Amino acid sequence: YELTQPPSVSVSPGQTTSITCSGDKLGKKFASWYQQKPGQSPVLVIYQDNKRPPGIPERFSGSNSGNTATLTISGTQAMDEADYYCQAWDSSTVVVFGGGTKLTVL
Amino acid sequence: EVQVVESGGGLVQPGGSLRLSCAASGFTFSSYWMSWVRQAPGKGLEWVANIKQDGSEKYYVDSVKGRFTISRDNAKNSLYLQMNSLRAGDTAVYYCARAKEGQLAAYYYYYMDVWGKGTTVTVSS
Repeated sequence: YELTQPPSVSVSPGQTTSITCSGDKLGKKFASWYQQKPGQSPVLVIYQDNKRPPGIPERFSGSNSGNTATLTISGTQAMDEADYYCQAWDSSTVVVFGGGTKLTVL
Repeated sequence: EVQVVESGGGLVQPGGSLRLSCAASGFTFSSYWMSWVRQAPGKGLEWVANIKQDGSEKYYVDSVKGRFTISRDNAKNSLYLQMNSLRAGDTAVYYCARAKEGQLAAYYYYYMDVWGKGTTVTVSS
């Protein structure tokens, strides 16, 4: 099972941006999203498609339908510049990550 | 504080072995699935292995099957990864992560909510 993400996305500060993650019938699985800043460990920002862990700002939201899961960041801030990875569980590959998307805040 | 701390990384020659450890604290270790995830230099995240709470179920990515073994000692709140027959392609930062899993509305979920800082494994002659 494979998850496909765009390699890079750019956004201006204060704007809304979306990062997509595509996989066969992904909408029938639960998607999670991780943020990783340079030199740091990944941090869970969305789980079960649209839930935020404690401490994650409300500007992070998620959705999942059809073949695509989407991470949306509203009012993007400079501190949101990072790599973002989607992840799902599949019976064939168990845990799978997308290739990652580098978010640049210009 | 809930945390996991990896150790045991280092430089090893191709064909060699290494054992990684992960010490958990601040939560009931025996209640959680645990995972190892790695990241090669400049590359993305790659799941390596999972182990169930009681160690009765273990899963591996195809590229490490037969070479790596995940295990745990709940009495010591510790997770391990025994890595044998190491290859240059195994060079990476290895992260230990706590996982949450279950079933909701007929769908299964598995995600990792607590990550360590990682330990670096370099396979080179």
